Amino acid sequence: AQSVTQPDIHITVSEGASLELRCNYSYGATPYLFWYVQSPGQGLQLLLKYFSGDTLVQGIKGFEAEFKRSQSSFNLRKPSVHWSDAAEYFCAVVGGADGLTFGKGTHLIIQP
Amino acid sequence: ETGVTQTPRHLVMGMTNKKSLKCEQHLGHNAMYWYKQSAKKPLELMFVYNFKEQTENNSVPSRFSPECPNSSHLFLHLHTLQPEDSALYLCASSQGVLGYEQYFGPGTRLTVT
Repeated sequence: AQSVTQPDIHITVSEGASLELRCNYSYGATPYLFWYVQSPGQGLQLLLKYFSGDTLVQGIKGFEAEFKRSQSSFNLRKPSVHWSDAAEYFCAVVGGADGLTFGKGTHLIIQP
Repeated sequence: ETGVTQTPRHLVMGMTNKKSLKCEQHLGHNAMYWYKQSAKKPLELMFVYNFKEQTENNSVPSRFSPECPNSSHLFLHLHTLQPEDSALYLCASSQGVLGYEQYFGPGTRLTVT
């Protein structure tokens, strides 16, 4: 079965600084990969997805992610964070008939 | 209404009560899902419906009973819940089941007393 690991439970970044959130997956074939964001009291919003093709994918709100097969990683990046980016970020994989498997999430804190 | 809506947004119920959560999607999707989100635990997939047919039931206790009357509506009927069932219950929909992004509703915050 597929699995997702987000090694960082919390990350604190200064406003304006760059951001990278880590995601590692386990799946035998090429997975479908997603990043979602959840603001307090809200549902999950899709930031970006990778299905095939170009390994660098662009998403909404200035986010991008890079699929690296050799490292089984799909890290999320943003060159300059804004205070409104503070939220919970989830990496997810679809690798079979079970639908999405989510990581435990990374809580992003933005320092002024 | 657009996207995925859920009602109620908050629910407090006793262990002997019976209540239902409602989800409606306005996206023309064919698949709908229930997830449970507890503190410090990953999102847990509970049920999957594809074209109104249940295709997945991840060992969910029988005190949770889903119903999908059509592709746009999904219910989660609750009875004799336990305090550990307190969580955020999220509904999602997607065009298909495999390889499609899911769109989530805002969730229902359930507290079992």
